[in-house]
Amino acid sequence: GAGVSQSPSNKVTEKGKDVELRCDPISGHTALYWYRQSLGQGLEFLIYFQGNSAPDKSGLPSDRFSAERTGGSVSTLTIQRTQQEDSAVYLCASSRGGTRSTQYFGPGTRLLVL
Amino acid sequence: AQSVTQPDIHITVSEGASLELRCNYSYGATPYLFWYVQSPGQGLQLLLKYFSGDTLVQGIKGFEAEFKRSQSSFNLRKPSVHWSDAAEYFCAVGPILGGGADGLTFGKGTHLIIQP
Repeated sequence: GAGVSQSPSNKVTEKGKDVELRCDPISGHTALYWYRQSLGQGLEFLIYFQGNSAPDKSGLPSDRFSAERTGGSVSTLTIQRTQQEDSAVYLCASSRGGTRSTQYFGPGTRLLVL
Repeated sequence: AQSVTQPDIHITVSEGASLELRCNYSYGATPYLFWYVQSPGQGLQLLLKYFSGDTLVQGIKGFEAEFKRSQSSFNLRKPSVHWSDAAEYFCAVGPILGGGADGLTFGKGTHLIIQP
């Protein structure tokens, strides 16, 4: 596609439910990134994929968070047993790979946990 | 650990006036530095980036930034702002050091308001 797309654009869920957030990167981009944007914490880096591999998962806030990427393309961020503090905008970005490559961001998924 | 500080949470500038947004960083190696802009309801758009070489970098929409190693700063400037420049501006440094992560560390952002 022309840009990074994310779905859903908005998600309202009840505390304790699981949610899945999807990211479609720009075609041909090998690197994919997840960030979280919240009022209290600003923009936080969560995880990075090079191909299907995530070298470091230490940025994920808790073990309720997991992410996978299949086929070197689509990625899913899963939050289990959601808590109210998980409410935030989850942003995905992709790049051609390498530290000098520009990261292109999607519009984000706004998650509200009631 | 690295960090980015944007001292100004809000800045108000009159249309046509000049602009400078401040950014200071802490980083344990040679930094890569970025400025992104986020308009309401939109994703982040890259304005400019610095990797090496000339310390004055030009970006899109008439923005420029200057890297000053001695001051650990990367301030964003524009000679004359337009109402369409009203947005949230983020300074970032990367890559994240150690652990094999390749993400960016962002500042808290500066909200730019343009007065007519």
